Amino acid sequence: AQRVTQPEKLLSVFKGAPVELKCNYSYSGSPELFWYVQYSRQRLQLLLRHISRESIKGFTADLNKGETSFHLKKPFAQEEDSAMYYCALSGLGNNDMRFGAGTRLTVKP
Amino acid sequence: GAGVSQSPSNKVTEKGKDVELRCDPISGHTALYWYRQRLGQGLEFLIYFQGNSAPDKSGLPSDRFSAERTGESVSTLTIQRTQQEDSAVYLCASSQAPSYEQYFGPGTRLTVT
Repeated sequence: AQRVTQPEKLLSVFKGAPVELKCNYSYSGSPELFWYVQYSRQRLQLLLRHISRESIKGFTADLNKGETSFHLKKPFAQEEDSAMYYCALSGLGNNDMRFGAGTRLTVKP
Repeated sequence: GAGVSQSPSNKVTEKGKDVELRCDPISGHTALYWYRQRLGQGLEFLIYFQGNSAPDKSGLPSDRFSAERTGESVSTLTIQRTQQEDSAVYLCASSQAPSYEQYFGPGTRLTVT
């Protein structure tokens, strides 16, 4: 069974501080991991996926299969990063996507 | 092009009534997902459609919930005999194929009184 755990429901940091949103997963096969973001009054949208290995809006995430983690990081948080962040897992070639419970990030001025 | 649309945007219904929620996916997207988002909680997978394959209904919470999809187009989620615990935002998403990026609709906020 696929499971995604985001241990922090709320996370608050000051502008310019580093931020790390934690995501752990369990899956027996080859996982595909994603981070989705929902800004206030906007639709849920893809932020990044581990296959792309890219940095979006200064965010990066590395898949660590040994620790079964896919933490989202940004070295210097900005106020506009305040949003709800969801980690999601799909098995390679699998049908469905499982989302974590989400972490609400607040970046204070 | 147009994104995923959902209707209605808001629905208030009395306990015990049936409701039908609609999702129009992006044209050409073969995969369609329904999720539920209760207040203060994360996304809860409900059901998944892929092309003409049998849907994955493993997330439906009870037999009061059902969903249909006509080919690779519109999908409807039906909740029969609604209960107060059904109050939530129901999100629909579509993607080109499994494991591809999902594009989400704006959601339908359901309130059961």
